Amino acid sequence: DGGITQSPKYLFRKEGQNVTLSCEQNLNHDAMYWYRQDPGQGLRLIYYSQIVNDFQKGDIAEGYSVSREKKESFPLTVTSAQKNPTAFYLCASSPQSPNEQYFGPGTRLTVT
Amino acid sequence: QKEVEQNSGPLSVPEGAIASLNCTYSDRGSQSFFWYRQYSGKSPELIMFIYSNGDKEDGRFTAQLNKASQYVSLLIRDSQPSDSATYLCAVKRGAGKSTFGDGTTLTVKP
Repeated sequence: DGGITQSPKYLFRKEGQNVTLSCEQNLNHDAMYWYRQDPGQGLRLIYYSQIVNDFQKGDIAEGYSVSREKKESFPLTVTSAQKNPTAFYLCASSPQSPNEQYFGPGTRLTVT
Repeated sequence: QKEVEQNSGPLSVPEGAIASLNCTYSDRGSQSFFWYRQYSGKSPELIMFIYSNGDKEDGRFTAQLNKASQYVSLLIRDSQPSDSATYLCAVKRGAGKSTFGDGTTLTVKP
């Protein structure tokens, strides 16, 4: 089955720890994205990548880092520098045209 | 002013009625417009996209775009309780990132 997988579904961490969220796609899409969603809010873009080995900051990149070493994979690291990391994290990918995005199931991160 | 604005709702319609969801955007250079549906606790899923002025129909859904007024809407005909969700509007200028609105919550009452 083609699609986007994110793991784990739920993640709990202590404050001060870095944590890496996994995102894999087998849709052969060039572009991949990371969003954060807080309760009752819309999606805020953290990072995006349009091609392997290249990525751009989104609107709220501070405290996050990414890598894009393979077309299929776009992991997100939430560092201890992120002030309020508890949120629902969504990964998406899109083809070059028409650019619609397909989302993974998301990871709920709780930091205490 | 937000780049993409939607009425937060909640919008409540009776089963079988037409639900009308609206979205305005500020960037006149926007070229691609998308509607996503998000059920509570789940990830967004694409409903449809539109590029050209006018209407685009897909089953019970119709997207309407008016670039002069910087306005895009989604009509849901014969609304069903299963349509109860948050609807997200997204706008894109060329390649690269999309900008999402905060969403409109729709409730369809049986």
